[in-house]
Amino acid sequence: KQEVTQIPAALSVPEGENLVLNCSFTDSAIYNLQWFRQDPGKGLTSLLLIQSSQREQTSGRLNASLDKSSGRSTLYIAASQPGDSATYLCAVNRQGDSWGKLQFGAGTQVVVTP
Amino acid sequence: DAGVIQSPRHEVTEMGQEVTLRCKPISGHDYLFWYRQTMMRGLELLIYFNNNVPIDDSGMPEDRFSAKMPNASFSTLKIQPSEPRDSAVYFCASSLVGNYNEQFFGPGTRLTVL
Repeated sequence: KQEVTQIPAALSVPEGENLVLNCSFTDSAIYNLQWFRQDPGKGLTSLLLIQSSQREQTSGRLNASLDKSSGRSTLYIAASQPGDSATYLCAVNRQGDSWGKLQFGAGTQVVVTP
Repeated sequence: DAGVIQSPRHEVTEMGQEVTLRCKPISGHDYLFWYRQTMMRGLELLIYFNNNVPIDDSGMPEDRFSAKMPNASFSTLKIQPSEPRDSAVYFCASSLVGNYNEQFFGPGTRLTVL
């Protein structure tokens, strides 16, 4: 059974600092990994999707890396802003599961202070 | 283009009543997912469909839960009879297999069963 872990559970940084969010998974045989953002009381917003054949994906200030052999992904957010405050979740689609079935981590709650 | 649409946004009902949640996926998407989110258990996949056909319903908690997708633009999740432990936020998401199954979420339905 795939387990997805996100550490730390919560993080507080001053504005302007770079954010580093970690995601680890136990089964390295995955189709892809997806990072989401969730604002309080809202749905999830897709940030980045990394296919199993890729090492990283970038979108604006966001960069996500994937190391399948070690079962890790890292989401970097450069020059954090108060608007980046949210909960960030990672999810993996394991090859042993049906295509499309995501296993989610519990998330990292981020607060960026002005 | 409109995102995933869910209704109602909030539902308060009494134990034993039937509850129906509705979802309209993004036009053209061929996968539809129903999730439940609680503080205790996080985000759980309940069931998902591909081209209107249920693929994996292993996450449906019990027979009180049922889901249908009569056409490509509409799905329902029904709970009958509802119980207080069903109180949660229910999310619908959709994806396109040709887009590596990047999932896009609706705003959710917050269900409270008294």
